Amino acid sequence: QKEVEQNSGPLSVPEGAIASLNCTYSDRVSQSFFWYRQYSGKSPELIMSIYSNGDKEDGRFTAQLNKASQYVSLLIRDSQPSDSATYLCAVKYSSNTGKLIFGQGTTLQVKP
Amino acid sequence: DTEVTQTPKHLVMGMTNKKSLKCEQHMGHRAMYWYKQKAKKPPELMFVYSYEKLSINESVPSRFSPECPNSSLLNLHLHALQPEDSALYLCASSQPSGASAREQFFGPGTRLTVL
Repeated sequence: QKEVEQNSGPLSVPEGAIASLNCTYSDRVSQSFFWYRQYSGKSPELIMSIYSNGDKEDGRFTAQLNKASQYVSLLIRDSQPSDSATYLCAVKYSSNTGKLIFGQGTTLQVKP
Repeated sequence: DTEVTQTPKHLVMGMTNKKSLKCEQHMGHRAMYWYKQKAKKPPELMFVYSYEKLSINESVPSRFSPECPNSSLLNLHLHALQPEDSALYLCASSQPSGASAREQFFGPGTRLTVL
């Protein structure tokens, strides 16, 4: 059973701080990793994708992947109240099916 | 602006009704997906179409019937649903293969309530 684990939170950080969201996955044969942001009542929005070990930066977001330790993380710098949402980690194991396995999501609260 | 659109935004139906959810993507993708999402849970895959052919059915009850008329359109036909089928139904699309065959983009969803 392939699993993706996230701490459900809520993770509360003050405005301007760095928010760190973590995700672990169970299967070493994994290829692609994604972070989606989902506001309450809305659909998931893709914010980061990462495929190889190391860091990938996009604006205030940095995704970090460590395949040896089977974890992927998302750092949000200069957190804003508008970043308050649920962040879903998703892992794609097979290149053929396109099937994503989602974690339960971490709720982030950024307090002004 | 989302390039994956879904209609209707909201749907209320009785257990004896037949209705359809529609999804259209304008991204040139050849893989399309239906997900179901309950409150405070992650999206749960239902069906995958690749090149207009059904490639994955995650043991979904037959009261849900998908259809892919062409590469841009995806329908989900609903019949004799149960109240526990009330959820947010999400459509997504991606490239089916190749280097970019990884990122899935979601539509805004249809909020379904079964009475």
